[in-house]
Amino acid sequence: GAGVSQSPSNKVTEKGKDVELRCDPISGHTALYWYRQRLGQGLEFLIYFQGNSAPDKSGLPSDRFSAERTGESVSTLTIQRTQQEDSAVYLCASSFFYGNTEAFFGQGTRLTVV
Amino acid sequence: SQQGEEDPQALSIQEGENATMNCSYKTSINNLQWYRQNSGRGLVHLILIRSNEREKHSGRLRVTLDTSKKSSSLLITASRAADTASYFCATDNAGNMLTFGGGTRLMVKP
Repeated sequence: GAGVSQSPSNKVTEKGKDVELRCDPISGHTALYWYRQRLGQGLEFLIYFQGNSAPDKSGLPSDRFSAERTGESVSTLTIQRTQQEDSAVYLCASSFFYGNTEAFFGQGTRLTVV
Repeated sequence: SQQGEEDPQALSIQEGENATMNCSYKTSINNLQWYRQNSGRGLVHLILIRSNEREKHSGRLRVTLDTSKKSSSLLITASRAADTASYFCATDNAGNMLTFGGGTRLMVKP
């Protein structure tokens, strides 16, 4: 596709349920980033991928959060046993190379845990 | 933790005035980028300045970088109502992670 695509754009889930968020990066981009943004706040780094590998997972808030990437393409962020504090916009970005080039963002998934 | 911190957190100006936003960071960087965000959704890249550069221009945007002070500034000249948005700096450090600051919310009044 022409840009980074995230799905779903909005997700309302009940507390305790698992959710899976998807990111389709721009074709050929080797770096992929996940961020969390609470209302009115900055971007909280969660995890990034170089190809299919995640060199640093320390940004993930708890062991309920996990992410994977396959085929140097699609990535999924999974949140297990969701809590109300997980409510936020989850943003994905990709870039041609890690860090030294412009990152392109998707429109995000707005997650609401009720 | 966040690498960059923008100030001010919020800025309100009249159309036609210049807007200046600052960013400070903690560790050495390869480059620094500025992004714009409308309506709390996806960010759009504005400009990238490398660690060996001191100033860069793009249209009405001017970015400076002072690596000795670990700070950068974004100047928007002749602001327009359409410039109303949140502006974030992002740094690429040795770990190659792209980390963002808390942002400056700019309001340009017509």
